[in-house]
Amino acid sequence: SQELEQSPQSLIVQEGKNLTINCTSSKTLYGLYWYKQKYGEGLIFLMMLQKGGEEKSHEKITAKLDEKKQQSSLHITASQPSHAGIYLCGADLYGGSQGNLIFGKGTKLSVKP
Amino acid sequence: SAVISQKPSRDICQRGTSLTIQCQVDSQVTMMFWYRQQPGQSLTLIATANQGSEATYESGFVIDKFPISRPNLTFSTLTVSNMSPEDSSIYLCSSSGRGGSAQYFGPGTRLLVL
Repeated sequence: SQELEQSPQSLIVQEGKNLTINCTSSKTLYGLYWYKQKYGEGLIFLMMLQKGGEEKSHEKITAKLDEKKQQSSLHITASQPSHAGIYLCGADLYGGSQGNLIFGKGTKLSVKP
Repeated sequence: SAVISQKPSRDICQRGTSLTIQCQVDSQVTMMFWYRQQPGQSLTLIATANQGSEATYESGFVIDKFPISRPNLTFSTLTVSNMSPEDSSIYLCSSSGRGGSAQYFGPGTRLLVL
């Protein structure tokens, strides 16, 4: 079974609208990473969350990790065409000693001008 | 944050040949990883590249198919051996400091096997 579920799989929004992407784990997370990927390219690091209840913001993007450390959300305010891409959540399920991440399947975001 | 480069950025290869992908980090890092992203899929970890010792492979990946080197704290290579069309993917390397630090990715190598 998939250890990390992302929803929705795809999202089309009008420019200026807000949106939320969710990432849910069946296990407690030691760390949760959000990345953005343009088609066929590498991953751009957005944010890392490690503490229950933690919230971080960068420009118009806010990420939160719930108190139980099993669910995270990524919220984009007043979306722009530059926000379009694939958003991936990656989870550290092993406490950091191994370092590798498990990834969700991604959310494809399109922003209509 | 670490800046990671990969070579080549893309390649088209013939079935049965091998390709070596290079990954260079601009600073010394504790851990380096190799991931594969098949078309339309998310990332799957191939192996952890250990400096000075053999790589640690994930289930489903073997050293004979994906030999990895890591001669120092800033450089690693991944070879895709005896390629078949099923190996067509984006291959990404990443690095992080000690456990709990952010993990950064290279731009990826886009491989097409004919």
